[in-house]
Amino acid sequence: GENVEQHPSTLSVQEGDSAVIKCTYSDSASNYFPWYKQELGKGPQLIIDIRSNVGEKKDQRIAVTLNKTAKHFSLHITETQPEDSAVYFCAAKAPGTGRRALTFGSGTRLQVQP
Amino acid sequence: ETGVTQTPRHLVMGMTNKKSLKCEQHLGHNAMYWYKQSAKKPLELMFVYNFKEQTENNSVPSRFSPECPNSSHLFLHLHTLQPEDSALYLCASSPTLGRAYNEQFFGPGTRLTVL
Repeated sequence: GENVEQHPSTLSVQEGDSAVIKCTYSDSASNYFPWYKQELGKGPQLIIDIRSNVGEKKDQRIAVTLNKTAKHFSLHITETQPEDSAVYFCAAKAPGTGRRALTFGSGTRLQVQP
Repeated sequence: ETGVTQTPRHLVMGMTNKKSLKCEQHLGHNAMYWYKQSAKKPLELMFVYNFKEQTENNSVPSRFSPECPNSSHLFLHLHTLQPEDSALYLCASSPTLGRAYNEQFFGPGTRLTVL
């Protein structure tokens, strides 16, 4: 089955700096890669996703890149703000009903220091 | 109510109690999921339902019993739990398992404490 590894487990940056979280996946058939943000006391919230037919996607201060050959994808947050502090999860999914819906990484706790 | 809702938000129970967690989605989705979130395993998939049929049981102990009466509602029945079952239980929904890009939406979770 799919295996997703996520690094780093914790990340501390100064406000205004950039943050990068990296994930690798094992199933070459995976074609959907969402990122979730989980704030304290809340469920994970989908913030951006990328599909295997594109290499990069941006939404304001966040961007995701995908390297299918190397089987890794990354989340980039620019001009970080204190409200970006949260736990971020990457995930991957291969097509087909028989496959597990989403396989999640172990999470990255991002702390933005004001 | 919009999105995915879960009740109760907090639950404290003894090891001999029987309780149930409820999840409801208002997104018109057909797939629903239960996850367990703890410090040891951040997002551990427990059960998956697609069009009310269970498609995955991730080796979950029988003291956890899911029920999906329709595509909008999902329950997790709890009985004779152990203290190590204390965790945040998250419900999620998505359009359907068969869809190529299957965006999952999570509820706020139920914080369960087993004494």
